[in-house]
Amino acid sequence: QVQLQESGPGLVKPSQTLSLTCTVSGGSISSGHFYWSWIRQPPGKGLEWIGYIYYSGSTYYNPSLKSRVTISVDTSKNQFSLRLSSVTAADTAVYYCARGSSSSLFDYWGQGTLVTVSS
Amino acid sequence: SYELTQPPSVSVSPGQTARITCSADALPKQYAYWFQQKPGQAPVLVIYKDSERPSGIPERFSGSSSGTTVTLTISGVQAEDEADYYCQSADSSDSYVVFGGGTKLTVL
Repeated sequence: QVQLQESGPGLVKPSQTLSLTCTVSGGSISSGHFYWSWIRQPPGKGLEWIGYIYYSGSTYYNPSLKSRVTISVDTSKNQFSLRLSSVTAADTAVYYCARGSSSSLFDYWGQGTLVTVSS
Repeated sequence: SYELTQPPSVSVSPGQTARITCSADALPKQYAYWFQQKPGQAPVLVIYKDSERPSGIPERFSGSSSGTTVTLTISGVQAEDEADYYCQSADSSDSYVVFGGGTKLTVL
């Protein structure tokens, strides 16, 4: 069964770039027609889709974040990554990575990692 | 921006049926998905494509669709079902993925 694990700094300064990595185990990130997604959840609030990268390399981003977001894949490490630039306190959230398939964009989730934006 | 509307809270007694709704204009054309999230845990997919149940999800969870509203039904609610539930879908052009605001299910 596929497993996903987020990693990265838990604290980022305002105006800097947030960088997170999701390591995939239990399957190759380059095999199958899968979507690799990032979702976030501010403390005490609901879920917000950030974007995803398809197995073909195509990327799709939330229009409200599009100018600041980059999602990429490193097949050699079986990982995919999120970069969010020019962060503010409003970007403080638990960030989840997820795998999607023909059933659902988000059928397997990582456990999430809290990123706090503060000086 | 496109929005999915859910009630903030639903309360039921154990053994009763809970129904959580999700409404939006594009739902007649787009599938809906439901996720369960317990405190401190990642969301779990409980219904996909309006009414399909993933393997491992109890049969008491079911989904339905009618017009601009989709409904998650939990029959014979158990204490362990107490959680936040989120619907998810996309706008009519498939360019914007969105989650509903979430519904807190309380088992009395």
